[in-house]
Amino acid sequence: DAGITQSPRHKVTETGTPVTLRCHQTENHRYMYWYRQDPGHGLRLIHYSYGVKDTDKGEVSDGYSVSRSKTEDFLLTLESATSSQTSVYFCAIKEVDLSSYEQYFGPGTRLTVT
Amino acid sequence: QQQVKQSPQSLIVQKGGISIINCAYENTAFDYFPWYQQFPGKGPALLIAIRPDVSEKKEGRFTISFNKSAKQFSLHIMDSQPGDSATYFCAASVRQLTFGSGTQLTVLP
Repeated sequence: DAGITQSPRHKVTETGTPVTLRCHQTENHRYMYWYRQDPGHGLRLIHYSYGVKDTDKGEVSDGYSVSRSKTEDFLLTLESATSSQTSVYFCAIKEVDLSSYEQYFGPGTRLTVT
Repeated sequence: QQQVKQSPQSLIVQKGGISIINCAYENTAFDYFPWYQQFPGKGPALLIAIRPDVSEKKEGRFTISFNKSAKQFSLHIMDSQPGDSATYFCAASVRQLTFGSGTQLTVLP
């Protein structure tokens, strides 16, 4: 599992409330990613980080913010949750070497916004 | 705009048969093409990947066939087993991964 944990694993929240999801890695990888998974859409990139305090937007970043103050932690925040943000959220890390750009995924967080 | 189109959406195969999942891409700058396998309640797991400088890569029962001129690549699962029942995603990358929409494979015993 590439030493990736996500917390919480399940969360139910109400529309308009802030929500923060945490991704923690133990292997000092530089690159970390947040994806959402919805039926019929595969996985779509929300935000990614290429180092401490270095982040950038992905395909579906509206309504989400991220922070990375330590190498091991990458936080995803929904400032004001909406029902359209009900989804399964996956964190991933990337191993970078000369021959591959493999990404490894965490176990996911199922978020329900009521 | 979906840059990686995956088909079929679902696939049912008998045990011992060949499962074939296809993907087509648009961006010719893509330089890495992985396939991920996902079981219910789990995160996607890297299965096999290919670079565009080769036309085929085989790992055990899993083979990627790559056609650069057609901008298509496919996953072949030989001697499919019930334990292969999962959702499969193709993806393509230039710097970030772009995923297909997924194929739910069911292998009947």
